[in-house]
Amino acid sequence: AQSVTQPDIHITVSEGASLELRCNYSYGATPYLFWYVQSPGQGLQLLLKYFSGDTLVQGIKGFEAEFKRSQSSFNLRKPSVHWSDAAEYFCAVGYTGTASKLTFGTGTRLQVTL
Amino acid sequence: GAVVSQHPSRVICKSGTSVKIECRSLDFQATTMFWYRQFPKQSLMLMATSNEGSKATYEQGVEKDKFLINHASLTLSTLTVTSAHPEDSSFYICSAGGPPGNTIYFGEGSWLTVV
Repeated sequence: AQSVTQPDIHITVSEGASLELRCNYSYGATPYLFWYVQSPGQGLQLLLKYFSGDTLVQGIKGFEAEFKRSQSSFNLRKPSVHWSDAAEYFCAVGYTGTASKLTFGTGTRLQVTL
Repeated sequence: GAVVSQHPSRVICKSGTSVKIECRSLDFQATTMFWYRQFPKQSLMLMATSNEGSKATYEQGVEKDKFLINHASLTLSTLTVTSAHPEDSSFYICSAGGPPGNTIYFGEGSWLTVV
């Protein structure tokens, strides 16, 4: 069975600092990988996704993520965090070919200090 | 781009009553939609897969008679929580795959409070 691990439950960074949120997955085939952001009480917004091709993917709001098959990782990065980035971030994995059914990690709550 | 919409965003109902939540794909057709449940400060757990024109597929541990799912058209799936109890209070969110490249879009979510 596929699974997703986000080892960091809570991360605090200063505004302007760089950010990396970790995500590891377990899946036997080529995964479809996603990062979503959720503000309190809101739905999920897609930041970026990886299906195939270039392993470094660019997303919205200045985020990027790199797929590393050898490490089964899909870490999310941002060079300079803004206070508005404070939210809950979820990594998710889907089946190849039927990408709609997703398994989510437990999420990482990002706090940004001014 | 593709958008998935849910209604209502918030609903309060009395214990023992039923409540319906709608999930619509606004500018694409979705033969399959997915319903998730999220408890406060926790991750999303898949409840069921909603299939247009056929029965929903429920995840292990989800009561199909309590959480009725109907996918009547290619743009609408509904989740009905029957005989609701306070423990059913939660955030329910749906998703559907749409263009481009089968991107997964989520609705805004629906807060259910059972009193």
